[in-house]
Amino acid sequence: GESVGLHLPTLSVQEGDNSIINCAYSNSASDYFIWYKQESGKGPQFIIDIRSNMDKRQGQRVTVLLNKTVKHLSLQIAATQPGDSAVYFCAENPFSGGYNKLIFGAGTRLAVHP
Amino acid sequence: GAVVSQHPSWVICKSGTSVKIECRSLDFQATTMFWYRQFPKKSLMLMATSNEGSKATYEQGVEKDKFLINHASLTLSTLTVTSAHPEDSSFYICSAPRQGAMNTEAFFGQGTRLTVV
Repeated sequence: GESVGLHLPTLSVQEGDNSIINCAYSNSASDYFIWYKQESGKGPQFIIDIRSNMDKRQGQRVTVLLNKTVKHLSLQIAATQPGDSAVYFCAENPFSGGYNKLIFGAGTRLAVHP
Repeated sequence: GAVVSQHPSWVICKSGTSVKIECRSLDFQATTMFWYRQFPKKSLMLMATSNEGSKATYEQGVEKDKFLINHASLTLSTLTVTSAHPEDSSFYICSAPRQGAMNTEAFFGQGTRLTVV
């Protein structure tokens, strides 16, 4: 079936560097994408979202890029900090026309080293 | 602060017993809530959609008689794992969408770690 997937299971970066986490999706009908951060033993925390009519959205230290042509989503974290260490999931809403259930990707663990 | 509260945070139960997990939206009403299951180092897997006032919608492969869902009010959904067995041990997470000024955002509970011994 259709699914959301990630290229890299683990990403190690130095503190202060920029991080890029990638995600590939296969459902062309998806119109809403979200990035979540999950720390150990906790529920997912919303980071940033983007709708399919946009290709870029910026937040505080984070940027999400959407390339609908190749069905690719990325999360960029600027000046990565130790507190950014967590597992990051992309999620898609595969049903157009309103909010519905989310389909999650496999996740990428981000490890930030001092 | 948290907008979706899940209780308990962790529970240990004996094999064969049932366990109830609560998911509450704290400052908004949610006609729909979602229940996920997460195995260690894995992603969230959607189990079911909880619908206030009607039956839950289960994803393919999820046993509805095993995982009973009740959405009795606009702020509370419960997941009951019936006749639990060790293979039911997992991290269970609920979410509730809240309509904001710009979009609808899904808020997640803190999760419940279930261990069946």
